[in-house]
Amino acid sequence: QSALTQPRSVSGSPGQSVTISCTGTSSDVGGYNYVSWYQQHPGKAPKLMIYDVSKRPSGVPDRFSGSKSGNTASLTISGLQAEDEADYYCCSYAGSYTPLYVFGTGTKVTVL
Amino acid sequence: QLQLQESGPGLVKPSETLSLTCTVSGGSISSSSYYWGWIRQPPGKGLEWIGSIYYSGSTYYNPSLKSRVTISVDTSKNQFSLKLSSVTAADTAVYYCARMLEHFDPWGQGTLVTVSS
Repeated sequence: QSALTQPRSVSGSPGQSVTISCTGTSSDVGGYNYVSWYQQHPGKAPKLMIYDVSKRPSGVPDRFSGSKSGNTASLTISGLQAEDEADYYCCSYAGSYTPLYVFGTGTKVTVL
Repeated sequence: QLQLQESGPGLVKPSETLSLTCTVSGGSISSSSYYWGWIRQPPGKGLEWIGSIYYSGSTYYNPSLKSRVTISVDTSKNQFSLKLSSVTAADTAVYYCARMLEHFDPWGQGTLVTVSS
């Protein structure tokens, strides 16, 4: 199972919106509505930001939103803030006969 | 508030077995619906799911690591454990444990394991 493909980096100015793509196949992203997104600051553990494609855990700002079209999922950060600068990883369920999870390659978000 | 904490040796010799334990506090590992998982991250690289376990002992593993991985659970201690055999330098990583459904939340703080002689 190959890692999901994400852009290496995206950037934006404070207040702008950025979108991170996560491309897989019909065996993972396209086959299930179990895409999740994680934010990771340097030296810290990942934090769940979005699950089940578009659901937000309590405490996550509504500036963060998720969507999916075909084999590509997306995370959009609206009203970019300095504290949003971090690495972001997508993850998808990829099981068919047995449960399996695959992460994305990771995207560095830079706030200019 | 559920918390997870990894523990174990920070240095393992090549060809030996890496052993880590995740202690769950603030909730029961025997809660229905949830699985418990291990994820790792080599320095400067991305995340890799290793495998997961249910409190009953049912396990499933990443096929790329399956031949070397064993995950077990001790409900009496509210812990689950990871063993990775025949390690090489490529297994050097921060190892995280996490509660999981079809996503991972929350995560432990992670523990760095270095494979070196």
